[in-house]
Amino acid sequence: AQSVAQPEDQVNVAEGNPLTVKCTYSVSGNPYLFWYVQYPNRGLQFLLKYITGDNLVKGSYGFEAEFNKSQTSFHLKKPSALVSDSALYFCAVRDGGSQGNLIFGKGTKLSVKP
Amino acid sequence: NAGVTQTPKFQVLKTGQSMTLQCAQDMNHEYMSWYRQDPGMGLRLIHYSVGAGITDQGEVPNGYNVSRSTTEDFPLRLLSAAPSQTSVYFCASSYFGGGETQYFGPGTRLLVL
Repeated sequence: AQSVAQPEDQVNVAEGNPLTVKCTYSVSGNPYLFWYVQYPNRGLQFLLKYITGDNLVKGSYGFEAEFNKSQTSFHLKKPSALVSDSALYFCAVRDGGSQGNLIFGKGTKLSVKP
Repeated sequence: NAGVTQTPKFQVLKTGQSMTLQCAQDMNHEYMSWYRQDPGMGLRLIHYSVGAGITDQGEVPNGYNVSRSTTEDFPLRLLSAAPSQTSVYFCASSYFGGGETQYFGPGTRLLVL
């Protein structure tokens, strides 16, 4: 069965420092991987996705993610964190056995302090 | 282009009451879905649809019904509300295909007393 894990409930980073939010996955076949961000009392916003091709994917707001097939990971990164990046981040994998449904991780709360 | 819209934004129900959460999209997306978000559990799929007249169950379908009479609308019905259905509900839509990006509505916060 497809699954995705976000091992950290919360990540704390100082403004200006690099940030990493971790995600590992388990799928049969080629993975379709996504990152979404949720600001307080808002819906989810798409950040980036990996379908195929270059292992380093660039997305919105300066975020990027590195696909690592051998480690089955898809970590979200940003070189220099902003206070405004503070939010809840979700990793998701497309359920290959379905019509295209997403399976979400439990989310990681990112807190960026000034 | 309004994207995905949901109504109401917030609703309080008593146990046993029924209600319909509305979802609409204006992007001509074939695929639509409903998720519920609970603390520490991420988003879980309730029902989904790959086109008008076609619906199917997700991970947590019990207590919910859906229908898809048009491409634009995908309402979620709570038949007899229970406190366990207190949650935030999100509707999403996308073009049909494995790599397509899903777009989410702003959510409906439901409290069942």
